[in-house]
Amino acid sequence: NAGVTQTPKFQVLKTGQSMTLQCAQDMNHNSMYWYRQDPGMGLRLIYYSASEGTTDKGEVPNGYNVSRLNKREFSLRLESAAPSQTSVYFCASRRDTQETQYFGPGTRLLVL
Amino acid sequence: SQKIEQNSEALNIQEGKTATLTCNYTNYSPAYLQWYRQDPGRGPVFLLLIRENEKEKRKERLKVTFDTTLKQSLFHITASQPADSATYLCALLNAGNMLTFGGGTRLMVKP
Repeated sequence: NAGVTQTPKFQVLKTGQSMTLQCAQDMNHNSMYWYRQDPGMGLRLIYYSASEGTTDKGEVPNGYNVSRLNKREFSLRLESAAPSQTSVYFCASRRDTQETQYFGPGTRLLVL
Repeated sequence: SQKIEQNSEALNIQEGKTATLTCNYTNYSPAYLQWYRQDPGRGPVFLLLIRENEKEKRKERLKVTFDTTLKQSLFHITASQPADSATYLCALLNAGNMLTFGGGTRLMVKP
């Protein structure tokens, strides 16, 4: 049981470049989430997906898009990266009958 | 607006003592509150959940209290160990049925 996995672990982008952050979970959870974590600001929700085929905006969705490819996978796309998107990105998943969220190891993104 | 506050300054304590971390919130009436542990370079890991009708919850050396009148939760680690050194995050279920996280408090336990 790998839990929640994220790729890549670290990425450097130039302003204007695009990239997709990948997330997968093997716990058969319906709900999946993307957060960003910045120093002193806590985790902020970018997008979430309550089930396969559905996605909704969180607190800070601007500049991002998501795809719930299937029940296992939830990807986050930056179409045109900006320095303000330099952050650590965490994916999480949750079983419907529990409130606990399970987090991946994170992707550290630096936009120059 | 809804706000969660955790002490941003690191808490330094001696091994064996009890560590107490605070989570204060405003403009919330959360159904429950959670505490997570985060080690450097890793994702948060769930520790405890306490509901609005519960005053206290325990798990091994951990204890959480929830005072909905004061709008405050206290997180205690008794007989602390250097391995308890980490950042501890509190999280509340917000009006949109999503978790809102505090900024976390870093705990350093010295031998």
